[in-house]
Amino acid sequence: NAGVTQTPKFRILKIGQSMTLQCTQDMNHNYMYWYRQDPGMGLKLIYYSVGAGITDKGEVPNGYNVSRSTTEDFPLRLELAAPSQTSVYFCASSTLGQALGFYSNQPQHFGDGTRLSIL
Amino acid sequence: EDKVVQSPLSLVVHEGDTVTLNCSYEVTNFRSLLWYKQEKKAPTFLFMLTSSGIEKKSGRLSSILDKKELFSILNITATQTGDSAVYLCAVSTSGGGADGLTFGKGTHLIIQP
Repeated sequence: NAGVTQTPKFRILKIGQSMTLQCTQDMNHNYMYWYRQDPGMGLKLIYYSVGAGITDKGEVPNGYNVSRSTTEDFPLRLELAAPSQTSVYFCASSTLGQALGFYSNQPQHFGDGTRLSIL
Repeated sequence: EDKVVQSPLSLVVHEGDTVTLNCSYEVTNFRSLLWYKQEKKAPTFLFMLTSSGIEKKSGRLSSILDKKELFSILNITATQTGDSAVYLCAVSTSGGGADGLTFGKGTHLIIQP
């Protein structure tokens, strides 16, 4: 019962390096999200996607890029790593559910996170 | 700017106590309020609230939403050491499709034996 899988779990980067954080889900969810969580803070939305080929910016998109070529995968790319991007990154997915004749977004399911340090 | 404020930010109680965690919000186009429990890793879903005054309950945990006063509470009765975690409140706002969540900073709850 995999759910949302993120790799790697930990990574240390040097300033200016690039890397891709991987996220895959096996629940056939249309909606996927990337958040970052800094110490003592709540999660902040970086990017989200409503389906393959469609992505949109969240609250803190600067310094990141995403793509969504398949329903299952939603990778997050850092092009020029900066110390301010040291954080824990969470990927999440959700879907529409129907109740009482209405469609509504169901709760998001989260991966275990990627802890990224930029030195 | 959408805002979610949780209080207290940290709380230490003894096993068996009852705790109440608070979440207030100021957002446009409110859709739902969610509570998550975060231990070492991924936040895990507890409750989703969309209607005022209807209590949601799961074992020793319960939650209620007041859309007039713009707040929610999460109650945990007969606390156990396994309840120690960060409890996150998040609000979903309506959009064209996917709803990114706006999170509060969380309440760090420590249950002492």
